[in-house]
This record gives sequence, structure tokens and C-alpha cells, in this order.
Amino acid sequence: TQLLEQSPQFLSIQEGENLTVYCNSSSVFSSLQWYRQEPGEGPVLLVTVVTGGEVKKLKRLTFQFGDARKDSSLHITAAQPGDTGLYLCAGDYGNNRLAFGKGNQVVVIP
Amino acid sequence: NAGVTQTPKFQVLKTGQSMTLQCAQDMNHEYMSWYRQDPGMGLRLIHYSVGAGITDQGEVPNGYNVSRSTTEDFPLRLLSAAPSQTSVYFCASRFTGWWNTGELFFGEGSRLTVL
Repeated sequence: TQLLEQSPQFLSIQEGENLTVYCNSSSVFSSLQWYRQEPGEGPVLLVTVVTGGEVKKLKRLTFQFGDARKDSSLHITAAQPGDTGLYLCAGDYGNNRLAFGKGNQVVVIP
Repeated sequence: NAGVTQTPKFQVLKTGQSMTLQCAQDMNHEYMSWYRQDPGMGLRLIHYSVGAGITDQGEVPNGYNVSRSTTEDFPLRLLSAAPSQTSVYFCASRFTGWWNTGELFFGEGSRLTVL
């Protein structure tokens, strides 16, 4: 069973458009992370959210943690080709385990 | 600034062969782990370790063995490779202090094909 469901699985948009991807679960997490992975490389951490309702901004990326700490969203404003990649959410569900979703593949067309 | 180093980057095996994927980190992280990444399946935890001499199973441990004799190294062994183990394998490590919120540092991956 997948603890974290990410949607949409694939998203293709034009440069300059906005997009939002989602990470949902029926479980409560003590923290939730977003990673970005580019082809042939390992994932790299973008942000960690800990508090329910928390909003964090990283340049044009805005991350939100749901009030109940079960879900999160990533919004990209004015997407650029450099934003292309696989976005993975990961939830800390204790016992030193981090569960990953299947990812949101984002393609930004110049 | 080495971080997490995995070797080899690519490997082709025949069914039944054995091999070891190497992982080393130079950040003095207590926690190390192995994930496999398959199309449509995401990253799945195979085994993890919270320190030298301590290992535990993750979500998909069958067919894999690990050991942790030093803080720096965490090798993953395939004793009898099967085609179902064709995948990209990632080693990852992190701090486990009370302040840590679990950021994982990943290696570049090892792509394994079992024929």
C-alpha cells in the first residue's frame, strides 16, 4: 500500500504558466519533505514542513502543509524550463522511516 | 565535498549471480539506508541502519542483505540475483540528532540489470 499519493503523475506546461501538484495521505506525519530529482541523479531536498498549516517559499516555489498534517501541495509560479523534474514528497512516519510517493513528473516547455 | 558515494554506477548480472553495491558517506551520519526506484513504483525502502552494528528491514527487504561495520559504509548484497531486482538503487544518509527533521542526502544511484 502506498502511504503517500501524488497527483497528477505527469504534468506538461508552457514556460510562464503556474502549476500546483499534490501529495495526499490518510496518515499523519510528524514532518513532510519535498525533493526534486533530475534524470540520472539522486533526489535533492527542497523543503521540510513540520507544523500543520505551515507555508514555506523557495523563490517561485510555495509549499503548504495541511492543517491535519496529512497532505501537502507545491505551487510553482511562472514555471521555467529549469523547473523540469520529478517532484517527490516524503513523510516521516516514525521508526526512522521515510515513505515516498511515486512522484509528480513536471515538464516545462520553453 | 564527496557526500554519499555509490559504486558501481552501472552493473549487468546474470540470474543467480551475486554482487555487492557499495555505499560510503563522509558526513559522519549515523543513519544510512538503501532504496530502490522502479518506474511507476517510486522509491521503496529496502534496509536501513541507525548506527554501526544495527540494521533493520524496510518495505522490500527480501533478496537483499546488509551489514554496518563502520559509520561510513553500508553495503547492499544480492546473494542470488533475479530479474525482479533490475532497478536503480539509491543509498541515502542523514543526521539523527534531536534537531533533525530527516533530510536525506542521496548518492547518484546504481543502475542494475539482471538478465
